[in-house]
Amino acid sequence: EAGVTQFPSHSVIEKGQTVTLRCDPISGHDNLYWYRRVMGKEIKFLLHFVKESKQDESGMPNNRFLAERTGGTYSTLKVQPAELEDSGVYFCASSQGGSGHFSDNEQFFGPGTRLTVL
Amino acid sequence: AQSVTQLGSHVSVSEGALVLLRCNYSSSVPPYLFWYVQYPNQGLQLLLKYTSAATLVKGINGFEAEFKKSETSFHLTKPSAHMSDAAEYFCAVRIYGGSQGNLIFGKGTKLSVKP
Repeated sequence: EAGVTQFPSHSVIEKGQTVTLRCDPISGHDNLYWYRRVMGKEIKFLLHFVKESKQDESGMPNNRFLAERTGGTYSTLKVQPAELEDSGVYFCASSQGGSGHFSDNEQFFGPGTRLTVL
Repeated sequence: AQSVTQLGSHVSVSEGALVLLRCNYSSSVPPYLFWYVQYPNQGLQLLLKYTSAATLVKGINGFEAEFKKSETSFHLTKPSAHMSDAAEYFCAVRIYGGSQGNLIFGKGTKLSVKP
């Protein structure tokens, strides 16, 4: 069974440009999460989809970030326009249905996309 | 608010020595606790998790962790380090009783294993 995949693995862009990151979750997983790790800091939650709906986007840093999950399958995270502080590794994770407080469904992580904004 | 503190950003041990990676959490409600490992160029892989059952949790690759409520700790141990254990390890907490499913991570600890 294929794991969580992310594309691209690396992206180097200039400040002010637009970048779109893609995540393909494990087939059948309703929950999809985006996280980000800025260098030297902890991995931080960005947002959570349940199927195609945004369950929680409290971690999104600002309105330059737009996440979508059309059809409840793959997800994209667009940064427009990119700023220097957006550099970091963006992780995607997915888990089976049932993300509520009684569920301990394991989150499976992708390898991440390393974004560098120059 | 929940938080996780991992003591030591880098830990170095000799092959065959005990591995101890420290994690303390802050949570106002009983938490779920996790340890993840990241090998170079790979995603995070779940090592083990605590979900309010046994306080001593055994995971993959010979790792285990003990939940100590009185110390708000969830330290990760392995009796004998192997070269293949060199990686970055993350402790994470998830709210039990909350509606959110996201994980809250510590800053990570890089483990080096010397021959």
